[in-house]
Amino acid sequence: GENVEQHPSTLSVQEGDSAVIKCTYSDSASNYFPWYKQELGKGPQLIIDIRSNVGEKKDQRIAVTLNKTAKHFSLHITETQPEDSAVYFCAASNDYKLSFGAGTTVTVRA
Amino acid sequence: DAGVIQSPRHEVTEMGQEVTLRCKPISGHNSLFWYRQTMMRGLELLIYFNNNVPIDDSGMPEDRFSAKMPNASFSTLKIQPSEPRDSAVYFCASSLIGYEQYFGPGTRLTVT
Repeated sequence: GENVEQHPSTLSVQEGDSAVIKCTYSDSASNYFPWYKQELGKGPQLIIDIRSNVGEKKDQRIAVTLNKTAKHFSLHITETQPEDSAVYFCAASNDYKLSFGAGTTVTVRA
Repeated sequence: DAGVIQSPRHEVTEMGQEVTLRCKPISGHNSLFWYRQTMMRGLELLIYFNNNVPIDDSGMPEDRFSAKMPNASFSTLKIQPSEPRDSAVYFCASSLIGYEQYFGPGTRLTVT
């Protein structure tokens, strides 16, 4: 089955700086890569996703890049704000079954 | 839209008791997923329904777990009998095309 590794496990950034989270996947058949943000006591929230026919996608301060050859994808958050503090999960799939990374706890310092 | 609705939000029960978790998916979505989240194992898919039919239940840990989807707007996950190791947060998610899954707020289950 698919195996997704996510790094780093924790990330602390100064407000206004950028944050980058990286994930690798094992199954070359995977073609859908979503990112979820989970705040304390809440369910994972889909924040951005990318499909295998696209190399990069941007939505305001967040962007995702995909390198299919290397089988890795990354989440970039620019101009971080305190409300960006949360746990972020990457996932990979080629059908309905999402394989999740272990999560990255992001802390934005004021 | 109100999003995925789950109830109860918190459940505390004693070992051996029956527990029923409930989920209302987003209206119009045809796929429903039950997940379990623990610190040790992260997010695990328990069961997947498409058009109310269970398609993949390979993640259901034991026969003590069962799930039903009697109609497009309601699903239940039942644990009978419950055990302390079932303590976790259980999420329901729904999707229109299977890819973009939207999660509910979860039910935090504690079995003592």
